Amino acid sequence: GGIITQTPKFLIGQEGQKLTLKCQQNFNHDTMYWYRQDSGKGLRLIYYSITENDLQKGDLSEGYDASREKKSSFSLTVTSAQKNEMAVFLCASSPRDWGYEQYFGPGTRLTVL
Amino acid sequence: GDQVEQSPSALSLHEGTSSALRCNFTTTTRSVQWFRQNSRGSLINLFYLASGTKENGRLKSAFDSKELYSTLHIRDAQLEDSGTYFCAAEGGTNAYKVIFGKGTHLHVLP
Repeated sequence: GGIITQTPKFLIGQEGQKLTLKCQQNFNHDTMYWYRQDSGKGLRLIYYSITENDLQKGDLSEGYDASREKKSSFSLTVTSAQKNEMAVFLCASSPRDWGYEQYFGPGTRLTVL
Repeated sequence: GDQVEQSPSALSLHEGTSSALRCNFTTTTRSVQWFRQNSRGSLINLFYLASGTKENGRLKSAFDSKELYSTLHIRDAQLEDSGTYFCAAEGGTNAYKVIFGKGTHLHVLP
């Protein structure tokens, strides 16, 4: 088995601030994903990465940057936090870009004051 | 429109009863995955299907890629089954993206 860890668990930022969220997986999976979930809603894809140094935009990439520094880690940057923004950011990985299950981390809860 | 339509959006069940959740897909779907999200926000993998049916305890899921739908049956509902259930479809116009439904909020009552 493996695990996905996300840091931090809770992130509080100020309007306009640049904020970075980190995700690590030890499944040795090729593909990693970042999703945003707003309260009571479904998941929306921000970025995904098929392999190290690869980046692919999802439906919600505006306002975000991502970086796949190595196979096991995928970070997401909120380039300018929006006031009153509140969402959970979920990281996932899967063995291939399609055809296999996704496994999720516990999430980072963002609050912008 | 939405590629993944989940129904119902909310459901209340008494303990011991059974029901089914459904996802309809509007485009070709290669596989479907079902998750339960608990009160802490963790997404728990329930099933991954490329075809046919799978069963695990009181849960059973089916996927019909031809008719473009998947179902999740919950038998003998227990309090711990409460949560939000999501289906996620792989396929569609972009082979690399997994599209999530909006979820079914399930509340199991004593």
